[in-house]
Amino acid sequence: DIQLTQSPSFLSVSVGDRVTITCRASQAINSDLAWYQQKPGKAPDLLMFAASTLQSGVPSRFSGSGSGTEFTLTISSLQPEDFATYYCQQLNNYPLTFGGGTKVEI
Amino acid sequence: QVTLRESGPALVKPTQTLRLTCTFSGFSLTTRGMYVTWVRQPPGKALEWLALIDWDDDKEYTTSLKTRLTISKDIPKNQVLLTMTDMDPVDTATYYCARLVVGDQYYYGMDVWGHGTTVTVSS
Repeated sequence: DIQLTQSPSFLSVSVGDRVTITCRASQAINSDLAWYQQKPGKAPDLLMFAASTLQSGVPSRFSGSGSGTEFTLTISSLQPEDFATYYCQQLNNYPLTFGGGTKVEI
Repeated sequence: QVTLRESGPALVKPTQTLRLTCTFSGFSLTTRGMYVTWVRQPPGKALEWLALIDWDDDKEYTTSLKTRLTISKDIPKNQVLLTMTDMDPVDTATYYCARLVVGDQYYYGMDVWGHGTTVTVSS
């Protein structure tokens, strides 16, 4: 199974900060990576697919990059509604797997 | 508009079998590239992918639960069913179903999710 390691697990930040979250895969997965945002008590929302393609309706302050084994999710200027937990997911190989999550808090 | 909704028991006893239903609308699970997946999340923990079924009736399962899971679909009812045998308190979680779309070039991700159904395993 492909393991995804997210870092950091927790981020303490302020509104307006630039935030970068890393997701490392245990083997190469091309660009077959998605990012999700989850707020407490809610289902996850798809932010990005194919590592760097923004899902429709997602603000442009979110961006993604990477291929192979290393990927990043960047929020250029954190807004109050961005405080949430972020997960990466690989879709290159079965079984599909998620990273352990990164909680972005004030 | 694509929607998915999970349903099933809120409480099951240890060793029982859990049966969950995902009822969807706004797309067809006979269309090439359409999948329905199940994901769970224990309280305070990370997401865990469980299983999926596709338009061609192919099925995939997470390795650690493969022997306990069965996924199936009922096309006329627009439903996907997930059964999990031999339930244990560690299986207490919110269970989500979601649509996954796969294109010729991209895996488009799990773009629409249900609200989730909370299952507690306790005697």
